[in-house]
Amino acid sequence: EVQLVESGGDLVQPGGSLRLSCATSGFTFSDVWMSWVRQAPGKGLEWVANIRQDGGLKGYLASVEGRFTISRDNAKKSVFLQMNSLRAEDTAVYYCATDLPNGYFLSWGQGTLVTVSS
Amino acid sequence: DIQMTQSPSALSASVGDRVTITCRASESIAYSRLAWYQQKPGKAPRLLIHDASTLESGVPLRFSGSGSGTEFTLTISGLQPDDFATYYCQCYHINKAFGQGTKVEIK
Repeated sequence: EVQLVESGGDLVQPGGSLRLSCATSGFTFSDVWMSWVRQAPGKGLEWVANIRQDGGLKGYLASVEGRFTISRDNAKKSVFLQMNSLRAEDTAVYYCATDLPNGYFLSWGQGTLVTVSS
Repeated sequence: DIQMTQSPSALSASVGDRVTITCRASESIAYSRLAWYQQKPGKAPRLLIHDASTLESGVPLRFSGSGSGTEFTLTISGLQPDDFATYYCQCYHINKAFGQGTKVEIK
């Protein structure tokens, strides 16, 4: 069974940092692109970042480029999102998802809530 | 970047109804790289259709997708109680962009 489990969400002040993790199982992690997708409270879905199988190619939403960094550890079957200089508008549930093949999102985690507020 | 616009934003329908949701792209989407998702409150989205019309494994046959270029549709033929949810389209050509969602409510 495919499983994706996010963690690391928290309440953080504007300008602060947070690192999200997504642990996976049930599929060959090193074979797939991975993405982070977020959803602000009561709003729609927004793709945030993705990373190629070998970690050598990454893509970002324009509004997070330079502040967020996606990375992965194929040995640990995990993907990460380092979020710096957080803003109120980054408040959202963050989902990790398999990105197949660098396109649509097949499997999703349950999400982790990031709240940016003073 | 391509932008996606769904219509309507919400609709009310009864069990058994045929429901159609439209998704329009700001420019042509090559290779019909368009997906549809269903999301229920407090849950992660679920992939229903990819490549505009390919039904994902396990998705009921009452769901179908069609379209090309800039206009795509999701049709639910015979709405079931489990189908009341919010539906999103997503392009994956050039950039990954979602529509704003269509909430399907019980009439």
